[in-house]
Amino acid sequence: AQRVTQPEKLLSVFKGAPVELKCNYSYSGSPELFWYVQYSRQRLQLLLRHISRESIKGFTADLNKGETSFHLKKPFAQEEDSAMYYCALSVTGGGNKLTFGTGTQLKVEL
Amino acid sequence: GAVVSQHPSWVICKSGTSVKIECRSLDFQATTMFWYRQFPKQSLMLMATSNEGSKATYEQGVEKDKFLINHASLTLSTLTVTSAHPEDSSFYICSALKEPEQYFGPGTRLTVT
Repeated sequence: AQRVTQPEKLLSVFKGAPVELKCNYSYSGSPELFWYVQYSRQRLQLLLRHISRESIKGFTADLNKGETSFHLKKPFAQEEDSAMYYCALSVTGGGNKLTFGTGTQLKVEL
Repeated sequence: GAVVSQHPSWVICKSGTSVKIECRSLDFQATTMFWYRQFPKQSLMLMATSNEGSKATYEQGVEKDKFLINHASLTLSTLTVTSAHPEDSSFYICSALKEPEQYFGPGTRLTVT
C-alpha cells in the first residue's frame, strides 16, 4: 500500500527566509503527488500538483523519483504562508483516491 | 468555481442515536465524492468513495453498516453515522471530484456525548 511521510509536524521560519517542507512517499508505481494547504479556519485547498509543474504563490515542488520525494519549497517566506500543509498521493487506476501525509504546520515569524 | 458545502458544520448527539451529514456540490455535478475523517492534529483518513447511483466503496477497516453513505443525486452525498458512540466523535470532511481535482467541504464536527 502507498504511504506519505511528512517528518516535521511543525516548521518555524522567519519572514524572508527560505522554506522547505519535506514529503516522502512509498509506492512501487508512478504516483501523482499533490500539496494541499489549509489556512486557519478555512477548508483544505489544492496548492499544486506535480503534473502541472506550476509555481503557485511562489511555491514549487519537484518530484524526485529516485529519492521518492516531493518537497515543497519557497525562496522567501511570507507571513501569509502560515498554514497547515499536507502532501498527498494518488495512484493510477486508483479512482482519484488520495492518501495524505500527517501534515506540517508552517509558522512564519516576523 | 467549484464550491462544496457541508451541513451541519457541527453537531452534538447522544450515544446510541444516528446523525446525518450532508455534502453538496453547489455549482457543479459530481458523480464521485469522498468522505474523510480527521482526528485532532492528525491527517485526513479516507473512509469511503461515494458514487452517484451505486454503492459506496469503503476503505479497509471502515464499518459500512455504521457509516452509511448515500449518493442519490449528482450534487448530494450523505453520511449517516448510525448508533453513534463517543469514539465516533471526530471531524468529518467530504470532497467532490471535478476532474482532475477534488474540492473539499469545510467539514463537520461531530461530538457524541
